[in-house]
Amino acid sequence: DARVTQTPRHKVTEMGQEVTMRCQPILGHNTVFWYRQTMMQGLELLAYFRNRAPLDDSGMPKDRFSAEMPDATLATLKIQPSEPRDSAVYFCASGLGYATNEKLFFGSGTQLSVL
Amino acid sequence: AQTVTQSQPEMSVQEAETVTLSCTYDTSESDYYLFWYKQPPSRQMILVIRQEAYKQQNATENRFSVNFQKAAKSFSLKISDSQLGDAAMYFCAYRGSNFGNEKLTFGTGTRLTIIP
Repeated sequence: DARVTQTPRHKVTEMGQEVTMRCQPILGHNTVFWYRQTMMQGLELLAYFRNRAPLDDSGMPKDRFSAEMPDATLATLKIQPSEPRDSAVYFCASGLGYATNEKLFFGSGTQLSVL
Repeated sequence: AQTVTQSQPEMSVQEAETVTLSCTYDTSESDYYLFWYKQPPSRQMILVIRQEAYKQQNATENRFSVNFQKAAKSFSLKISDSQLGDAAMYFCAYRGSNFGNEKLTFGTGTRLTIIP
């Protein structure tokens, strides 16, 4: 079965360190989303891309977060410097694009703990 | 902006019984999509069922069905013959139909417990 692959599954780091999370969308999907899940805020959209171009990153703290798609098979989310409040589960999801994007396929998430 | 409200933080049901999870939403759009996602302890987000707003017929997927009331902006999920494997967090989600508005807006979730 095709699936969205996220790495690492778990990450523990110290405050101030750089964190990079990676996502491999399903082959052929042209829309990629990054969501963050916390107990307090629930599931929040951080950014999303279509055909590797960012369409909406309004949910992302610009001073420390950055999201890119170096190519169609890789999306990255970086936090530099990381802070304890960034501790959360970060999900990547991919879809087929606007016309048939009724379904999003989610990865298993990266659980980030910033000490 | 669209909002999704799940007013039941927790629900429980006896195995083999039926349970209904509530969801309401707010939007000014006439065409959109609604979803229910399941998140078990494994953390994986699993699509349970989806509904297109332009369809009057309620969506059904095996033991899962929805009651979609467009005028009331209500979208409840009914789980029949509850099984132990149904225990999870359930999230209601909304997606607009306009270009550039494909993001999912989620509710806060309902934790469902199945009592053996």
